[in-house]
Amino acid sequence: QQQVKQSPQSLIVQKGGISIINCAYENTAFDYFPWYQQFPGKGPALLIAIRPDVSEKKEGRFTISFNKSAKQFSLHIMDSQPGDSATYFCAASLQGSSNTGKLIFGQGTTLQVKP
Amino acid sequence: NAGVTQTPKFRILKIGQSMTLQCAQDMNHNYMYWYRQDPGMGLKLIYYSVGAGITDKGEVPNGYNVSRSTTEDFPLRLELAAPSQTSVYFCASTGTWGSSNYGYTFGSGTRLTVV
Repeated sequence: QQQVKQSPQSLIVQKGGISIINCAYENTAFDYFPWYQQFPGKGPALLIAIRPDVSEKKEGRFTISFNKSAKQFSLHIMDSQPGDSATYFCAASLQGSSNTGKLIFGQGTTLQVKP
Repeated sequence: NAGVTQTPKFRILKIGQSMTLQCAQDMNHNYMYWYRQDPGMGLKLIYYSVGAGITDKGEVPNGYNVSRSTTEDFPLRLELAAPSQTSVYFCASTGTWGSSNYGYTFGSGTRLTVV
């Protein structure tokens, strides 16, 4: 019940296209859903995050869509650029009712944007 | 502002050897974490700490130990290294949920090979 399942494992998109990565969770108590971007040789960096009281959050070309009833959330990258080529991780956490701040990560998606 | 600093960046160990991975943060974060990253597996939590003197096991603690004597430092000890511990190790920290300094910051990682 603590798992977060992420798909696809890898994704190839043409420059200018839309990249979509999906995640599903089981624990309905999760209350914080961040996405991380990781470039080769670097640590993950926070990209965008959402709370379950909103269905969508947009920051520039990056949008999180959240479906509470389906227990799914997804990352959309609009107008994908070669510089977006990286590994993306979704994560989930019990923040409000926990004092540990632990994140449960998905398996990761390697995105390649072709010029 | 250095953020989260991990040393060393690379290390090769022989089976049965021991070593300590160092992690230091200068953001006065209470929460610190050690994750390991294996291909296609995402990030798995090894140990975490919610403050100096307080540590607890994560999802994959076997073969590791931690200590937290100060707010800044959170070293990870590997005893009797095994090939299964070949991985990339990331340290992360965050302030408490709801505080102005909430948000995971990751170090740049330590790539460990056990031969």
